[in-house]
Amino acid sequence: NAGVTQTPKFQVLKTGQSMTLQCAQDMNHNSMYWYRQDPGMGLRLIYYSASEGTTDKGEVPNGYNVSRLNKREFSLRLESAAPSQTSVYFCASSGSLAGQITDTQYFGPGTRLTVL
Amino acid sequence: KQEVTQIPAALSVPEGENLVLNCSFTDSAIYNLQWFRQDPGKGLTSLLLIQSSQREQTSGRLNASLDKSSGRSTLYIAASQPGDSATYLCAALYANDYKLSFGAGTTVTVRA
Repeated sequence: NAGVTQTPKFQVLKTGQSMTLQCAQDMNHNSMYWYRQDPGMGLRLIYYSASEGTTDKGEVPNGYNVSRLNKREFSLRLESAAPSQTSVYFCASSGSLAGQITDTQYFGPGTRLTVL
Repeated sequence: KQEVTQIPAALSVPEGENLVLNCSFTDSAIYNLQWFRQDPGKGLTSLLLIQSSQREQTSGRLNASLDKSSGRSTLYIAASQPGDSATYLCAALYANDYKLSFGAGTTVTVRA
């Protein structure tokens, strides 16, 4: 039981490049989330998916797109990376029953992204 | 705007001392309040979740209290150990949109 896994662990991009961050969970959770963490600012929600087939914007969605590929996988795409997107990105999941968005969230180990 | 604040940003105590970590939130209409631990370079690990109808939750040496009327939660860690050194984050789940709002965290150092 791996929990929440994220790839890659580290990435360096040049301004304007694109990339996709991958996330998968094996806990049969319905809800999945993408956050970014910046020094002194806590975690901020980028996008979330309450259940398979749905996605919604969080607090800071600009410059990102997401895909809920299936129940297990939720990817985050940067179409044209900017230095302001340098951050640590965390994926999380919650809820063992449909709609249990209020359950404890389980986090992946994070992806450290630097945009030059 | 729904804000969650954690003061102080950093705390250093000698081993064996009890830790008291504070979390305040601006909107009392929360669904639950969660405490997480984050080790350097790692993800977040859930410690305790308190439902809005509860006053406290306990797990081993950890106890978290919730006072909705005053917009405060406190995490107590009894008899601290060097292994408790980490950043502790609280997060409030608001009932209107079911999204977690995080505090910036308190970084704890327990000196041996």
